[in-house]
Amino acid sequence: AQTVTQSQPEMSVQEAETVTLSCTYDTSESDYYLFWYKQPPSRQMILVIRQEAYKQQNATENRFSVNFQKAAKSFSLKISDSQLGDAAMYFCAYSNLLNRDDKIIFGKGTRLHILP
Amino acid sequence: DTGVSQDPRHKITKRGQNVTFRCDPISEHNRLYWYRQTLGQGPEFLTYFQNEAQLEKSRLLSDRFSAERPKGSFSTLEIQRTEQGDSAMYLCASSSAGMGQETQYFGPGTRLLVL
Repeated sequence: AQTVTQSQPEMSVQEAETVTLSCTYDTSESDYYLFWYKQPPSRQMILVIRQEAYKQQNATENRFSVNFQKAAKSFSLKISDSQLGDAAMYFCAYSNLLNRDDKIIFGKGTRLHILP
Repeated sequence: DTGVSQDPRHKITKRGQNVTFRCDPISEHNRLYWYRQTLGQGPEFLTYFQNEAQLEKSRLLSDRFSAERPKGSFSTLEIQRTEQGDSAMYLCASSSAGMGQETQYFGPGTRLLVL
């Protein structure tokens, strides 16, 4: 069974600084998607960034970028120039490309605090 | 388009009562998912629909849980004879089935507290 592990329950970063959130996963599949979702307090979950496993190039979305290491099964999220609005719970997630249901498996999350 | 909506946002009930939640997906989305999120955990998949057909159910979905999507639009999730362990956030998401992984858009969730 596929699993997603986030080893950092909480992290803090100074506003305008850079922070990296860690994620590892386990799968025997070769084709899959990886995601980072953001869940602000009392607000709905939104997709931050996604990575297709067959693409070697790391995904980037504005201030958000990932470091995808397929062999190591590692998928970290880097947030540059941290802003107060980045404070949220961040979930790393996995979906098996071969399962047409697109079911997502989530990690337990990392709560990110932004210090003004 | 106002996104995925869920109703109610909060529900407090007594153990043994039945509760029903509603999810309205983004109008053109043919897939609808239900997830459950307990405190300190990530969301866990419960079930999903493609149009009106319920195609998969997790083992987490005991026989006290039933979900419907009668006309392929909104969906309901009913929990019968609620237990304290059912207390959680119930999340709905929708997407459009296509050639690859389509982004799932989440609703705000329904927070259930069973006393």
